[in-house]
Amino acid sequence: KAGVTQTPRYLIKTRGQQVTLSCSPISGHRSVSWYQQTPGQGLQFLFEYFSETQRNKGNFPGRFSGRQFSNSRSEMNVSTLELGDSALYLCASSPVGETQYFGPGTRLLVL
Amino acid sequence: EDQVTQSPEALRLQEGESSSLNCSYTVSGLRGLFWYRQDPGKGPEFLFTLYSAGEEKEKERLKATLTKKESFLHITAPKPEDSATYLCAARRVGGGSEKLVFGKGTKLTVNP
Repeated sequence: KAGVTQTPRYLIKTRGQQVTLSCSPISGHRSVSWYQQTPGQGLQFLFEYFSETQRNKGNFPGRFSGRQFSNSRSEMNVSTLELGDSALYLCASSPVGETQYFGPGTRLLVL
Repeated sequence: EDQVTQSPEALRLQEGESSSLNCSYTVSGLRGLFWYRQDPGKGPEFLFTLYSAGEEKEKERLKATLTKKESFLHITAPKPEDSATYLCAARRVGGGSEKLVFGKGTKLTVNP
């Protein structure tokens, strides 16, 4: 089976812009979770989607949003980018109640 | 609040020198303790899932164990290719969510 894929792999944006990141889960996985990874905070949970519904949300401002499509693919959006949003954004997919498998991540740099 | 703490933050070993990494957790109703390995610039790679105290799992030079408050990742006779950051994560019961709470990782360096 193909693994989790994320696009783009690298992005450079400026403050105030918005960005959309995409994640394609492993075939058959219906749960998709997003995490932000920074050197200081480690991996922090952003949100989780299952069957096109957000099931859980982490402690991030409303500028961070996401959605899931009927084919389980997911996107996350960050509006009004700030310097502190520079991070590795990771997507993970899983069957319900089982292990999450991660994609390679999208490295976002905000200038 | 759910919390996962890993120690040490960094560990430097000589090739063949066995050691253990620690992961302590405070989670109400554990529904899985996970170990991942992460290489620089890559996403975490799954290693093990443990569900109940006393459970052990092995893979090559790695062995993971679980107690009611901690998990250990034992590395036997490590090789330079075992150098990576090892992440521990916990999932709690309830809420119908797959959310994982991660520790900040242990960066392992194995010198030849």
